[in-house]
Amino acid sequence: RKEVEQDPGPFNVPEGATVAFNCTYSNSASQSFFWYRQDCRKEPKLLMSVYSSGNEDGRFTAQLNRASQYISLLIRDSKLSDSATYLCVVVPKGTYKYIFGTGTRLKVLA
Amino acid sequence: GAVVSQHPSWVICKSGTSVKIECRSLDFQATTMFWYRQFPKQSLMLMATSNEGSKATYEQGVEKDKFLINHASLTLSTLTVTSAHPEDSSFYICSARGDPNVEKLFFGSGTQLSVL
Repeated sequence: RKEVEQDPGPFNVPEGATVAFNCTYSNSASQSFFWYRQDCRKEPKLLMSVYSSGNEDGRFTAQLNRASQYISLLIRDSKLSDSATYLCVVVPKGTYKYIFGTGTRLKVLA
Repeated sequence: GAVVSQHPSWVICKSGTSVKIECRSLDFQATTMFWYRQFPKQSLMLMATSNEGSKATYEQGVEKDKFLINHASLTLSTLTVTSAHPEDSSFYICSARGDPNVEKLFFGSGTQLSVL
């Protein structure tokens, strides 16, 4: 089983739609979690950190469920510019290694 | 914000040659740098962790004699792909961490390596 797993997609959604991604991780001792977005052949860019209490940044909401070992990302009112690959990142306790998920491709259609 | 410069952005080379990729932290001292590899439509896979002044720690399955990592200063780490073969063609990305108490990583812009 991979350490961090995501549905690869692609998720094709119309503009304005709400879309949600999930990510599961196997290491229960993981301490930090992030969502990154990556455009084709570019470096990943930090979208947001993920906290147990849940956090929101504009149209983006992230949630962490430690008991079930998954994190989620919700995008409301999708824009064409949201088209990208979304990567969840898990940091095992005691390390500073970023373990990337397999990524979920999103295509927002006009 | 902190900037990590990586170059070259892309390189094409013949099979059997060696390629060096540089990763520099421009406005902070990077105590730790990480090297990732990404094949098409796959995620970033951690190759190795390098700490300034010490030997790199390689992930399982990554050949240390093939992927030479040098982190000789707090602002520079290099990855050399020795005797490159077509299967080494990939997108290589470095990332750097400055403050040892801060988890945030800063990424280079990546290097696309194509081995003919």
